[in-house]
Amino acid sequence: GAGVSQSPSNKVTEKGKDVELRCDPISGHTALYWYRQSLGQGLEFLIYFQGNSAPDKSGLPSDRFSAERTGGSVSTLTIQRTQQEDSAVYLCASSDWKGGNYGYTFGSGTRLTVV
Amino acid sequence: DAKTTQPTSMDCAEGRAANLPCNHSTISGNEYVYWYRQIHSQGPQYIIHGLKNNETNEMASLIITEDRKSSTLILPHATLRDTAVYYCIVRGVTVPRGAQKLVFGQGTRLTINP
Repeated sequence: GAGVSQSPSNKVTEKGKDVELRCDPISGHTALYWYRQSLGQGLEFLIYFQGNSAPDKSGLPSDRFSAERTGGSVSTLTIQRTQQEDSAVYLCASSDWKGGNYGYTFGSGTRLTVV
Repeated sequence: DAKTTQPTSMDCAEGRAANLPCNHSTISGNEYVYWYRQIHSQGPQYIIHGLKNNETNEMASLIITEDRKSSTLILPHATLRDTAVYYCIVRGVTVPRGAQKLVFGQGTRLTINP
């Protein structure tokens, strides 16, 4: 597609439930990143995929968070046993292998609300 | 990645040039300066990047000092739609792994006033 697509755009879930957030990167982009942004806060790095290399998971806040990238394209971020502090906008970005002469392209995000 | 320092907030009148400073005194030779902005309720948007030469595109100009320890993003004719948080980020590119993650600070909240 022309841009980075994320779904759903909004998700409300009950505390303790699992959620899956999806990201479709720009076709041909080999790098994919997940960030989250809590209300009024800056962007917090979560995880980064680059081609076939092992992902950089250094930003995942706990073992309840995991992510996969299948076939080098679509990525799914999974949050297990959601907590209220997980409420945030989850942003996905992609870039070409050089990090992009034009930098990252971000999606519009998924707003997750845990009630 | 080198740390950056930006003012927390700035104001600018519509139609005037907005000059946003950024200090990156610990930048190393292979690190680029990137600028992004985030308009309310949207994902961040790439603006411009540079290594040591000044750069210009359809959105903005980037002026990097000769010692590369600071830079200025210039929006030549600011409009109300330029109201956003502007992030200055320094990042290297490693090979063969490729790009490194961008680390966002708190940025500068720029308000364009009518």
